[in-house]
This record gives sequence, structure tokens and C-alpha cells, in this order.
Amino acid sequence: RKEVEQDPGPFNVPEGATVAFNCTYSNSASQSFFWYRQDCRKEPKLLMSVYSSGNEDGRFTAQLNRASQYISLLIRDSKLSDSATYLCVVTPSSNTGKLIFGQGTTLQVKP
Amino acid sequence: DAMVIQNPRYQVTQFGKPVTLSCSQTLNHNVMYWYQQKSSQAPKLLFHYYDKDFNNEADTPDNFQSRRPNTSFCFLDIRSPGLGDAAMYLCATSRVLVGSYEQYFGPGTRLTVT
Repeated sequence: RKEVEQDPGPFNVPEGATVAFNCTYSNSASQSFFWYRQDCRKEPKLLMSVYSSGNEDGRFTAQLNRASQYISLLIRDSKLSDSATYLCVVTPSSNTGKLIFGQGTTLQVKP
Repeated sequence: DAMVIQNPRYQVTQFGKPVTLSCSQTLNHNVMYWYQQKSSQAPKLLFHYYDKDFNNEADTPDNFQSRRPNTSFCFLDIRSPGLGDAAMYLCATSRVLVGSYEQYFGPGTRLTVT
């Protein structure tokens, strides 16, 4: 079983749609959680951290459910520029800064 | 200004011919990482340096080596590249603080093996 699992998609949605991505992780001792964005043939960039209380940044909302070991990302009012791969990322219990990446979910927003 | 710089951006090497990829950072971060990313796959951590301490992932082939001569620079050496080593190689840095694990990635080096 992969340590971090995501539905690879692709998710094809029209502009203005709301889309949600899910991610599960296997290590219950995982400490920190993130969503990174990766554009085609570019490097990953941090989109947002994910907190137990849930957090929102503009059109983006992230949720964490530790009991179910589940992370989600909601994008409202999708823009063409949101087209990218969204990587779910988890840190293991050890304090080394190591990140475990999911395979990524590809989003294609169409006009 | 670029904070994590990788050179070259594109590298073509022959099967079995050693190649070195370089990474430098202006962030003064204490941790540097090397990832391998193949098409449609997650970045795979090869190894990382926590200050001068080298941490190798258990499944990283011996063909891959790394050097960190100082805080700013880190190198990835592939001793005998095979066709399966063609990939994007990403360098990243972080300052490991409690509750903060953001990694800053360089633009990557795309390696082609002929």
C-alpha cells in the first residue's frame, strides 16, 4: 500500500465549477500535511498547509481528518489557471523535514 | 531572484557515462534534498542532507551518490546512468523548524540517457 494515495484523475471541469480532491495516508503518526501544486514540466510549489481545524485561502479550502487519515482540497470557482497537478504531501513522524508525496491529481479546467 | 538554482536545466548523457547535477541555494537552509521524478509519478526522495549529515533512502540505488561541500551547494552524481535513470531531478531545501516543513524546489534538471 502506498504511503499517500490520490486519485490521479484527470478531473476535467468547466470554468467556475467547484472541484474536490481527496487523499489518504497510511501512517497514523504523520505530523504535517500539505497540498503542493505542480504545473506541467515545472517544479512543485507549496499551495497550502492543512490543519486539523481546516483552513481556507481564497478559493481554496483544505481539510484534515486524522481519525480517517484523510485530507481534502476544495477549489471553488475554478479558473483556467488552476489547471495543474495537485500533490498531497505528508511528513512522517520523524523530525527530519522529509516529505512523502502522493502521485498527484491532475486538474484540467476548460473554458 | 532565484532561491534554489539547478544546473544544467537539461542534460544529455550516454549510457554508462558519469554525470553530475548541481544545486545551489541562497536561502541558507540547513536541509537539502534530491528527488527523482518520472513522468506522471510522484517525486521520489533519493537522499537528503540535514546540515552535514547524509541520509540515504533505503531503496536508492548505489549508482546515485551525493556531495554537499558547504551549506549552499549540493551535487548529485550518477556513476553509470542507465536508460531507466532518465527523469527530472529536483533539488529542494528547507529550514526544519517545529511545525514548519515547507520545501523550496529548484526548477529541476531533465536528464536524458542515450
